[in-house]
Amino acid sequence: AQTVTQSQPEMSVQEAETVTLSCTYDTSESDYYLFWYKQPPSRQMILVIRQEAYKQQNATENRFSVNFQKAAKSFSLKISDSQLGDAAMYFCAYRSPLGQGAQKLVFGQGTRLTINP
Amino acid sequence: DVKVTQSSRYLVKRTGEKVFLECVQDMDHENMFWYRQDPGLGLRLIYFSYDVKMKEKGDIPEGYSVSREKKERFSLILESASTNQTSMYLCASSLFGTGRNEKLFFGSGTQLSVL
Repeated sequence: AQTVTQSQPEMSVQEAETVTLSCTYDTSESDYYLFWYKQPPSRQMILVIRQEAYKQQNATENRFSVNFQKAAKSFSLKISDSQLGDAAMYFCAYRSPLGQGAQKLVFGQGTRLTINP
Repeated sequence: DVKVTQSSRYLVKRTGEKVFLECVQDMDHENMFWYRQDPGLGLRLIYFSYDVKMKEKGDIPEGYSVSREKKERFSLILESASTNQTSMYLCASSLFGTGRNEKLFFGSGTQLSVL
């Protein structure tokens, strides 16, 4: 079974600075999908960024980018120019590509990000 | 936009009560999921369903059951609530597909307290 580990329960960063959230995963599959979700105080989970394992290029969405190291099974999220609205719980997640079980996500433990003004 | 609606934002129940958590989605999604969220443990899958009347156990199904009689509605049932089921419950839905462009849509969660 796949597992996802986020080793940083809490992180903080100064507004306008850059912060990196870590995520590692364990799988024997060669193709899969990785995600970062954001959960603000409203509790509504928001998809931040998605990476397909077969793509070597790191995904980028505006101020959010990932560092995907497939051999190391590492998938970190970098937030540039941090804003107060980035304060949230961030979850890393994994999904298999095929079969009925492909529809479910396996989540990490989460990292609570605080933005200091 | 897809909307996933959970019937209650906060719920307080007594030990031994039968509890129903309801989830409704409005975009004709085949897949629906129930996750439980606990501090330090992240989200863990309880059950999921990929079609009406179909259900699959997730990673922590013990103490829970589900019902999917209509495509848009997925109910989580705690047959006899216990204090260790105090948690945040999140419902989600998605289209069935090969996965490349799928997106999971979440409800806003139900914080359940069992006293």
